[in-house]
Amino acid sequence: SQTIHQWPATLVQPVGSPLSLECTVEGTSNPNLYWYRQAAGRGLQLLFYSVGIGQISSEVPQNLSASRPQDRQFILSSKKLLLSDSGFYLCAWSVEQRSYNEQFFGPGTRLTVL
Amino acid sequence: KNEVEQSPQNLTAQEGEFITINCSYSVGISALHWLQQHPGGGIVSLFMLSSGKKKHGRLIATINIQEKHSSLHITASHPRDSAVYICAVRTASNTGKLIFGQGTTLQVKP
Repeated sequence: SQTIHQWPATLVQPVGSPLSLECTVEGTSNPNLYWYRQAAGRGLQLLFYSVGIGQISSEVPQNLSASRPQDRQFILSSKKLLLSDSGFYLCAWSVEQRSYNEQFFGPGTRLTVL
Repeated sequence: KNEVEQSPQNLTAQEGEFITINCSYSVGISALHWLQQHPGGGIVSLFMLSSGKKKHGRLIATINIQEKHSSLHITASHPRDSAVYICAVRTASNTGKLIFGQGTTLQVKP
């Protein structure tokens, strides 16, 4: 069966510090991978998606970047965190099979920037 | 105006009541998802549908493609149904990007 892991679960970081959030998927090959952010009181927003190793598309200009060094590993990074980067970050995966594209979400990382 | 609108934003119900959450969208889609987010933040996919109606236990989801509208119904609601329910649409692209509604916060009181 497929599983998705995210770590850490919670993180408190000072403004200006770097960030690295990791997401890994098990039990599937060549998944589409997504990073979403949910800011307080707001809906989910797609930040990045990847259809393969080294292939990253950014949806929203921001202070963050993403990388996919391995097929089932997706990393969200920042060189210098801003207060506005606080939120709940979710990783998700899907597999394209004709029109089937159910997305499966990880447990999320709650980031607080102080 | 958001591309995906949900109503109501907040809903309080008594245990046993029939609940309806609505979702309207303004973009072309290939599928619509209903998701459930529990207080800890974890998200579970409830339904993915592109036409008609689906049922799972006490949950029923319907979609009307012509009217660009979907509803999620909960029959015989229970306090454990308390969560945020999110509607998301998949755009007509090959990457499966989802556009999310703001969510409906449901509280079911015993």
